[in-house]
Amino acid sequence: GQQLNQSPQSMFIQEGEDVSMNCTSSSIFNTWLWYKQDPGEGPVLLIALYKAGELTSNGRLTAQFGITRKDSFLNISASIPSDVGIYFCAGQGYGGSQGNLIFGKGTKLSVKP
Amino acid sequence: GAGVSQTPSNKVTEKGKYVELRCDPISGHTALYWYRQSLGQGPEFLIYFQGTGAADDSGLPNDRFFAVRPEGSVSTLKIQRTERGDSAVYLCASSSRPLGEQFFGPGTRLTVL
Repeated sequence: GQQLNQSPQSMFIQEGEDVSMNCTSSSIFNTWLWYKQDPGEGPVLLIALYKAGELTSNGRLTAQFGITRKDSFLNISASIPSDVGIYFCAGQGYGGSQGNLIFGKGTKLSVKP
Repeated sequence: GAGVSQTPSNKVTEKGKYVELRCDPISGHTALYWYRQSLGQGPEFLIYFQGTGAADDSGLPNDRFFAVRPEGSVSTLKIQRTERGDSAVYLCASSSRPLGEQFFGPGTRLTVL
């Protein structure tokens, strides 16, 4: 099935460092979402973006909806050990879809204390 | 309130058997989605319900897969004649409206031996 291009695939960082990951698509989306998934759990919604150019923050997380509507990025500032997990971007509302999400392959984040 | 729940959390079955996976959405959520997540991949869309009807089943891989939502709340994903390639985590998500934010359950890990 169709998936978004998400990078990097994995990151190993020191506690306290900032993190940046991004997602690109050949299709235009009306909504971009960022999820975090821990082992054995379902994805948990972090941030939802609804307008091109929108910049939204949720605590130490900041995400932006690209102007072209084909990309988005997520930044995490001052990382802490509990940030460990897999982060997924997802696009929604493309073409004639009914709201189902298209996901990237994920960015696996590891944080060294 | 309670989140999305899924049962069983794990299911091991033999090739050729029939399985049913259950999803209880967040109370009052009219939209319900099923996704399948293979190891190292993002979730992939299977089917979407708005109320009792399947509004989009374009993600179902073949006719061995079927889902119902008879009363517009609980949904059951049914897989006939299971194959080893069906092994994956099956995720359910619900939303208060079409194109709204989706909240995921913990998933059912299906293993076909």
